[in-house]
Amino acid sequence: AQSVTQLGSHVSVSEGALVLLRCNYSSSVPPYLFWYVQYPNQGLQLLLKYTSAATLVKGINGFEAEFKKSETSFHLTKPSAHMSDAAEYFCAVSDLSGGSYIPTFGRGTSLIVHP
Amino acid sequence: NAGVTQTPKFQVLKTGQSMTLQCAQDMNHEYMSWYRQDPGMGLRLIHYSVGAGITDQGEVPNGYNVSRSTTEDFPLRLLSAAPSQTSVYFCASSSSYEQYFGPGTRLTVT
Repeated sequence: AQSVTQLGSHVSVSEGALVLLRCNYSSSVPPYLFWYVQYPNQGLQLLLKYTSAATLVKGINGFEAEFKKSETSFHLTKPSAHMSDAAEYFCAVSDLSGGSYIPTFGRGTSLIVHP
Repeated sequence: NAGVTQTPKFQVLKTGQSMTLQCAQDMNHEYMSWYRQDPGMGLRLIHYSVGAGITDQGEVPNGYNVSRSTTEDFPLRLLSAAPSQTSVYFCASSSSYEQYFGPGTRLTVT
C-alpha cells in the first residue's frame, strides 16, 4: 500500500525567501514520486518527478526535490520565492504495488507568498 | 493535441438528479481516472480504468458509476446526486506514471 503525508496545509513565505514544502511517503516497494502544482481554478500540472535515477530532481520554475530513502521523504524546495509561485502543491506516490500506475496524492499544501 | 478535455466546466444539480461528466483524451493513453477535490482532502480517487472495458473502484466510489467502451472516453455518472457530491472533479490520463489532468468540472448539488 502507498500513502503520502504533506506536513502543513499552508506555508507562508516572503518574496525572495526559501520555499520548503514537506512530503513523506510510505511504500512497500521502490516508489515513483511526484510534485504537482495547481494554480487557482486550473487543473494539476507536473512540476517534477523521481523515477529511480538521480536522487536530486530538478523541475520547472526553479523547483527541485531530493529523494531520501532513509527518511522516506521527498521535500520540495526553491531558493527564492516569487509571487507567481503562489499555488496549491501536491505530492504523489506511485509504486505499482496495486498493479497500476495510479498514484496516491497527499492533501496538498497551499503556498502563500507575501510581497 | 487537445490533451484531456472535460465537460461541462460548471454544473448545478438538485438532490436526486442524475448526470454524466464527460472526459476524453486524444493521447491514446491506457490509464484513465477520476478524482474529486475537496478543501483539505487533496485528490481522492473515485474510479479508474487500465484499458477499454476494464474499470475498478478507487477510494471513494459510492454514488458514482463508470464505463470505458473506448480508449478515448471515460464518463463518470452520478446516479442520484447528493449534497455530499458537491466538489471539483478531475479526470486524468496516463500511459505510465505521469498523469495528465483535465481542467476540472465544478459541481454543486443543492
